[in-house]
Amino acid sequence: GENVEQHPSTLSVQEGDSAVIKCTYSDSASNYFPWYKQELGKRPQLIIDIRSNVGEKKDQRIAVTLNKTAKHFSLHITETQPEDSAVYFCAASKGGSNYQLIWGAGTKLIIKP
Amino acid sequence: SAVISQKPSRDICQRGTSLTIQCQVDSQVTMMFWYRQQPGQSLTLIATANQGSEATYESGFVIDKFPISRPNLTFSTLTVSNMSPEDSSIYLCSVEEAQGEAFFGQGTRLTVV
Repeated sequence: GENVEQHPSTLSVQEGDSAVIKCTYSDSASNYFPWYKQELGKRPQLIIDIRSNVGEKKDQRIAVTLNKTAKHFSLHITETQPEDSAVYFCAASKGGSNYQLIWGAGTKLIIKP
Repeated sequence: SAVISQKPSRDICQRGTSLTIQCQVDSQVTMMFWYRQQPGQSLTLIATANQGSEATYESGFVIDKFPISRPNLTFSTLTVSNMSPEDSSIYLCSVEEAQGEAFFGQGTRLTVV
């Protein structure tokens, strides 16, 4: 079955700098790769996703890149701000509502003032 | 995006008792997912609930401990039975929309004493 590995487990960056979180997956049939942000005490929230027919997607300060050949995808946050501090989860699935998401272990992002 | 109401938001329970968690979705969905999340950890899938059939449990989770009901396409319950302190955790329900995006209830923080 699918396995998703996420690195690093903790990432500390200076406010204003960029942060990059990386995930690898094992099942080449996976074609949907979302990223979730979970603030302390809150539910996970979808922040950006990418499908296998594109290599990159951007939404303001966040972007996701996908390398299908290498089976890895990354989350990029530029110009980090204190409100970016949270735990970020990547996931992978074969897409559609009938396939469960397989989750990475999470990355705790700390933004230092 | 789907809106999910989950309750209770938190509870403190005596060991040996049971707690039923409810999730109501504002639209009809085929599958609902129940997760457990230990503090600082990733999401662990307990089971997938389909309307009209028995839930499918992941390895390490059994129906006698975590019975699930799915009486219709907008509602599901998860019961944590015969609780012990090891069951203390956050429990989350989730649905996936047609393209695979997952949305979560606000979570139930359970403490067993």
